[in-house]
Order: sequence, then C-alpha cells, then structure tokens
Amino acid sequence: SQQGEEDPQALSIQEGENATMNCSYKTSINNLQWYRQNSGRGLVHLILIRSNEREKHSGRLRVTLDTSKKSSSLLITASRAADTASYFCATDAHNQGGKLIFGQGTELSVKP
Amino acid sequence: DAGITQSPRHKVTETGTPVTLRCHQTENHRYMYWYRQDPGHGLRLIHYSYGVKDTDKGEVSDGYSVSRSKTEDFLLTLESATSSQTSVYFCAISVADNSPLHFGNGTRLTVT
Repeated sequence: SQQGEEDPQALSIQEGENATMNCSYKTSINNLQWYRQNSGRGLVHLILIRSNEREKHSGRLRVTLDTSKKSSSLLITASRAADTASYFCATDAHNQGGKLIFGQGTELSVKP
Repeated sequence: DAGITQSPRHKVTETGTPVTLRCHQTENHRYMYWYRQDPGHGLRLIHYSYGVKDTDKGEVSDGYSVSRSKTEDFLLTLESATSSQTSVYFCAISVADNSPLHFGNGTRLTVT
C-alpha cells in the first residue's frame, strides 16, 4: 500500500544544530503531513503541505515537497532538547479515499 | 489533546476474550479513526468512520469491528483477542477526510 518512508530511522544531534528528516512515497498525493510523537503520547500535527506547494514554514520548521521525486523533507532549525521525539510523515494519496497512510518515523534525539 | 479521551489507557487480557476500546470526542468532528502502532510498522489504519453509523475498513481490519452510534463515540472491538493484537491503539479525529488528525493518548493493550 501507499506509504511514506522516513529516512533516517534515527538521528542524534546536539542542541542548536539543525535536523533534517526525509520522507519518500510511491504514488501521487493530494497532500503530505508531518506529525511529532513524544514518548507515551499521541501524535501531534505539525504541518500540512499540498501537492501544488513546494515549501512551507512554521516557526522553526521548514517543509519542502518535490512531487517529481515523490519526496519531502522536514527541517528543524536551532534544535532544542524539547524537540526530542519521533517524527512521522503521512500521505493522502489520490487512490486512498482521503485516508492518511503513515510512515515508520524518524526518532530524533537532541542532546543538551 | 483536542478533546479526545481514550479508555482504558492500559489493558491486559487473555487470548480469546472480547475487548472493547472506547474513543470519546468533544469536538463534534465528523471523522474518527482507529490506528494501531507497532515497532517496525508505524501507524496502520484499522477502521474509520465518516459519520454516525458510517464506517469503513482500513488496511488491517481483520479481527476488529467498530461501531459509531453517536457523533462523539467510536468503539473498537476485538472480537476474540489474539497475541498479535498486542499493540498501542490510537484514536484520531478530523473535520474532513484530508484534514489534519488530532490524536488521543492511546490505549496500550496486552494480550497474554
């Protein structure tokens, strides 16, 4: 089934550094979303980018979308220890009736 | 947590017993979803609902049934629990079928 694949699976950085996570998918999409999950909690929506958009910003987050390569990236600038979490991309593909399909996530660890 | 309550938060049950998980929302959102989260698989959609008494299957629906008799409640039933259904179950809601999801904090189910 259609699925976002995140890369890397795990990322460890120092506070203040930038973190980049990538997501690839297989079929044409309506939109792509990024979520964060803190340990033991539900997912929290971060940002939605539509298929006709190439870049979107929200605070320290920057998301890009390249539909020709079927890929997206999430950049967190000036990371903080509180950014430690798992990050998931989710795709809403044309043939999925609007249902979101999640990837397996990137586990980000930001060390103080 | 966008007015979503999952109950119970933790449950241990024996193989072969029926189990019902409850999701309650106070947001009056039309769409409700049940996902399961397992290591190595990310989040997978079990069932979803697009209105009272309107439900449909997701990618891993075998062994599960759902009911939605009121806008605010979405029940997930494991008809005869198996060890493979040991997982963390998340309920989510959204205003439209391609809108961001708001998640509950999950139910950790262990089937022994």
